[in-house]
Amino acid sequence: EVQLVQSGAEVKKPGESLKISCKGSGYSFTSYWIGWVRQMPGKGLEWMGIIYPGDSDTRYSPSFQGQVTISADKSISTAYLQWSSLKASDTAMYYCVRHKPYSYGDYWGQGTLVTVSS
Amino acid sequence: DIQMTQSPSSLSASVGDRVTITCRASQGISNSLAWYQQKPGKAPKLLLYAASRLESGVPSRFSGSGSGTDYTLTISSLQPEDFATYYCQQYYSTLLTFGGGTKVEIK
Repeated sequence: EVQLVQSGAEVKKPGESLKISCKGSGYSFTSYWIGWVRQMPGKGLEWMGIIYPGDSDTRYSPSFQGQVTISADKSISTAYLQWSSLKASDTAMYYCVRHKPYSYGDYWGQGTLVTVSS
Repeated sequence: DIQMTQSPSSLSASVGDRVTITCRASQGISNSLAWYQQKPGKAPKLLLYAASRLESGVPSRFSGSGSGTDYTLTISSLQPEDFATYYCQQYYSTLLTFGGGTKVEIK
């Protein structure tokens, strides 16, 4: 069974750093892309970027380029989304999604709620 | 990047109604379009891909059509469990983009 299991909810202060994770299982982790999607409270889905764990090829939405870093450790089948300096506007639910190569997302993680507040 | 415009942003319908949601791309996307359903507090779920192909396990009352820049999701007979928000997503470009969403509410 394909599963993407994300790390737990986080509460952080502005200016702090954060790295959240997404662990894949039940499939070949290096054969699919992993994307990240933001959903701010009460808002729609925003595609942030994507990584191919096989060779760490990474693409970012222009809206998120330079704001976050996407990485992966194929040895433990885990993808990451990280911030170096959080802002209150980063408060959102973040989902990881498995993508077939250059294609749609078919499996979603359960989401990680990030709350940034002083 | 490719912009996706969904309409309407919300609609009210009754159980048994036929519902149609439209998604327009800012350029042709060659049927590289997926539809997702999201219920409150849950992760989105894939319904259709390649504009008209039903994901395994999705009821046949959901269907998709379209070509070029214009695509449609149709629910032939709305069921109580279909009240949710629906999103389109293009994957023609390596920089994927979502539509703004359509919330389907009970009339």
